[in-house]
Amino acid sequence: RKEVEQDPGPFNVPEGATVAFNCTYSNSASQSFFWYRQDCRKEPKLLMSVYSSGNEDGRFTAQLNRASQYISLLIRDSKLSDSATYLCVVNKGYSTLTFGKGTMLLVSP
Amino acid sequence: GAGVSQSPRYKVAKRGQDVALRCDPISGHVSLFWYQQALGQGPEFLTYFQNEAQLDKSGLPSDRFFAERPEGSVSTLKIQRTQQEDSAVYLCASILSGRSDTQYFGPGTRLTVL
Repeated sequence: RKEVEQDPGPFNVPEGATVAFNCTYSNSASQSFFWYRQDCRKEPKLLMSVYSSGNEDGRFTAQLNRASQYISLLIRDSKLSDSATYLCVVNKGYSTLTFGKGTMLLVSP
Repeated sequence: GAGVSQSPRYKVAKRGQDVALRCDPISGHVSLFWYQQALGQGPEFLTYFQNEAQLDKSGLPSDRFFAERPEGSVSTLKIQRTQQEDSAVYLCASILSGRSDTQYFGPGTRLTVL
C-alpha cells in the first residue's frame, strides 16, 4: 500500500462548479500536510498547508482528519485556470515530503 | 529573488551513458532535496542534504545513483550507466532551514534514456 493515496481522476467539471478531492495516508506519525499544485510539465508549487482545524484560502478549503488519516481539498467556483494536477503531500517530520500520485482536474467552459 | 534553477532542462542519453544533473538552490537555503518523478506519478524522494552533509539517501534506487553537495550550495545528481527505467523528471527543492519551511522546487531536468 502506498503511503499517500489519491484518486487519479481526471475530474471533469464545468466552470463555476464545486469539486472535492480526497487523500488518505498510512503513516500515523506524519506531522504536517500540504496540497501542492502541478501544471503540465511544470514543477510542483505549494497551494496550501492543511491543519486539523481546517483552513481556507479564498476559494480553496483544506481539511485534515488525523483519526481517519484523511485529507481533503475543496475548490469552490472553479475557474479554467484551476485545471492542473493536485498533489496530496505529507511530511513525517524531517522535511522529506511524501507525495501522492496526484488528482487531475480539468475545468471546461 | 532567483528561485531554484536546474540544468540541463532536458537531457537525452543513450543506455549505458553517465549523466550529471545540476541544481542551484535559492541562495542561503540550508537544505536541499532531490526527487524523481516518473510519468503519471507523484515525485518520489531520492536524497536530502543539510549544508554539505547528505543526511538521507534512502530513496536512491541503486548504487548507480550518486549525489553530492560539496560546498553546501550547488548539488549534482549523477547517474552512471543509465537504463531506460531511469527516464523521468528529476526535481530539486530547497528550504531555508526549518522542518516546516516551504519547499521550493526547481523546474526539473527531463531525462530520456534511449
